[in-house]
Amino acid sequence: ETGVTQTPRHLVMGMTNKKSLKCEQHLGHNAMYWYKQSAKKPLELMFVYSLEERVENNSVPSRFSPECPNSSHLFLHLHTLQPEDSALYLCASSQDPSGALNTGELFFGEGSRLTVL
Amino acid sequence: SQQGEEDPQALSIQEGENATMNCSYKTSINNLQWYRQNSGRGLVHLILIRSNEREKHSGRLRVTLDTSKKSSSLLITASRAADTASYFCATDSPNSNSGYALNFGKGTSLLVTP
Repeated sequence: ETGVTQTPRHLVMGMTNKKSLKCEQHLGHNAMYWYKQSAKKPLELMFVYSLEERVENNSVPSRFSPECPNSSHLFLHLHTLQPEDSALYLCASSQDPSGALNTGELFFGEGSRLTVL
Repeated sequence: SQQGEEDPQALSIQEGENATMNCSYKTSINNLQWYRQNSGRGLVHLILIRSNEREKHSGRLRVTLDTSKKSSSLLITASRAADTASYFCATDSPNSNSGYALNFGKGTSLLVTP
């Protein structure tokens, strides 16, 4: 198993659909992240969970709803999205940045390419 | 707000040449990281340099950090076609309450031709 696995790799959905992106990490990390990558824009941090508690929420619209049931799994639930939400959604994990084991490094999955029609 | 900004936006070189990419940032940092991303894939961590370090090496990579100028550079020596990718710098965010947020730049797109 690779370190961080994201499914699905590609998703096409209509604006009225409800879908979910899934992320799983096998690295024993306790922090997980969702980033959005749009063309010609910097990566945008969306959400951060540490020990299953949300610690960052960067003014993300409510049509994106994260869920972290345990330290190995992270979901991004999608509903009534807009075409401008089409992007590559990247999940990452790390050790707790404040912990002694932390190297500051993020481990990314391969991303889920989302297209909203 | 965007913290790191890479320069140039795009760079095209031939195999064997060195590639230099620069990153500028606006506020104080604890550390700066460089990542690489192949087209349509996830980011891969390359190297981290702390604010009290000036230079770091990893294989064919050399990173420098000048905190007085708020800038960093990534040098890839003896480039190979497989180095073709986008390269991003990332800084820890002074605006993060939790200390978890990393700010990424738009990246430098490197093309290495055989």
